[in-house]
Amino acid sequence: GESVGLHLPTLSVQEGDNSIINCAYSNSASDYFIWYKQESGKGPQFIIDIRSNMDKRQGQRVTVLLNKTVKHLSLQIAATQPGDSAVYFCADDTGRRALTFGSGTRLQVQP
Amino acid sequence: DAMVIQNPRYQVTQFGKPVTLSCSQTLNHNVMYWYQQKSSQAPKLLFHYYDKDFNNEADTPDNFQSRRPNTSFCFLDIRSPGLGDAAMYLCATSKAAGFEQYFGPGTRLTVT
Repeated sequence: GESVGLHLPTLSVQEGDNSIINCAYSNSASDYFIWYKQESGKGPQFIIDIRSNMDKRQGQRVTVLLNKTVKHLSLQIAATQPGDSAVYFCADDTGRRALTFGSGTRLQVQP
Repeated sequence: DAMVIQNPRYQVTQFGKPVTLSCSQTLNHNVMYWYQQKSSQAPKLLFHYYDKDFNNEADTPDNFQSRRPNTSFCFLDIRSPGLGDAAMYLCATSKAAGFEQYFGPGTRLTVT
């Protein structure tokens, strides 16, 4: 079936480095994408979103890139901090009022 | 602060004993969702309400039911919990399709 998936299950980076988390999606009808951060024992927390009419969107220390040609989404975190350690999920919305989540990437920030 | 509240945060129930999880929101959002999340997995949508319109996912077991008596509250009923239903249950809201979903802190269900 159609789904959103991630390439890397675990990403380890040094504090202060930039992090890039990748996501592939398969549903060409997807028109809205979200990145969530989930810390242990907590609910997912919104990071940033992007619509299909854009290819880049920036927030505070985060950037999301969307490549519709290859159905690829990435989350870039600048100057990664220990507090960024968490599991990151991408999710897409095809307009059916529901999100499909990818399998998640665990980001580990080494001091 | 406007938020999504889930009670209880931890729930222990016995195998086969009905259990109800609750969710409330102060965001006045139209849509409320229930997700099941097992360890090291992504949240899996069980069903959602758009206002009073109930939408069940095709693979959600009949054992799971939901009620939304008003805009603010939504309940997840598990009629006969099995050991495989032990998980984190997440409630989320959004104002409409194509908008951010706000998640509650979740209820961790243990089945003994």
